[in-house]
Amino acid sequence: GENVEQHPSTLSVQEGDSAVIKCTYSDSASNYFPWYKQELGKRPQLIIDIRSNVGEKKDQRIAVTLNKTAKHFSLHITETQPEDSAVYFCAAIEGGGSYIPTFGRGTSLIVHP
Amino acid sequence: NAGVTQTPKFQVLKTGQSMTLQCAQDMNHNSMYWYRQDPGMGLRLIYYSASEGTTDKGEVPNGYNVSRLNKREFSLRLESAAPSQTSVYFCASSENRGGEGYTFGSGTRLTVV
Repeated sequence: GENVEQHPSTLSVQEGDSAVIKCTYSDSASNYFPWYKQELGKRPQLIIDIRSNVGEKKDQRIAVTLNKTAKHFSLHITETQPEDSAVYFCAAIEGGGSYIPTFGRGTSLIVHP
Repeated sequence: NAGVTQTPKFQVLKTGQSMTLQCAQDMNHNSMYWYRQDPGMGLRLIYYSASEGTTDKGEVPNGYNVSRLNKREFSLRLESAAPSQTSVYFCASSENRGGEGYTFGSGTRLTVV
């Protein structure tokens, strides 16, 4: 089955800096990669996703990049703000198999004012 | 349009007690899922239902049972609660097995003493 590794587990940045969270996956059949943001005490919510036929996708201050050859994808947040503080989860979905998302263990992002 | 509704939000059980966590979605999604979230472990799949009438085990099914009552509802039952089942439980749904449009419920915080 799929295995997703996520790094770092904790990331602390100053307001205005950029933050990068990286995930690697093991199954080359995975073809859909969503990212979720979970604020303290709340449910995970989808913030951006990318399909395997696309190398990069942007939505305002967030972007996701995908390297299929190396089997890794990354979340980039620019001009971080305190409200970006949350736990971020990546996931990989094996399109040709179970279709069940496999989640990374999460990254706790702390943005200091 | 409520999305995914979970009940209860909080529950304390004594070891050996049983209970059922309820989940309902109003988005006409075919697939529904139950996850547990523990510190540092991310989201681990307990059971899922790819479509009405089917259920399958996930990564950590031991100690749990599920029922896909109809297309809207997917319940999780703990027959004999154990302290190791203390966790936050999330229900989720998606339109299809591919995981797109994954929507989480607000979670149930369960403590087993």
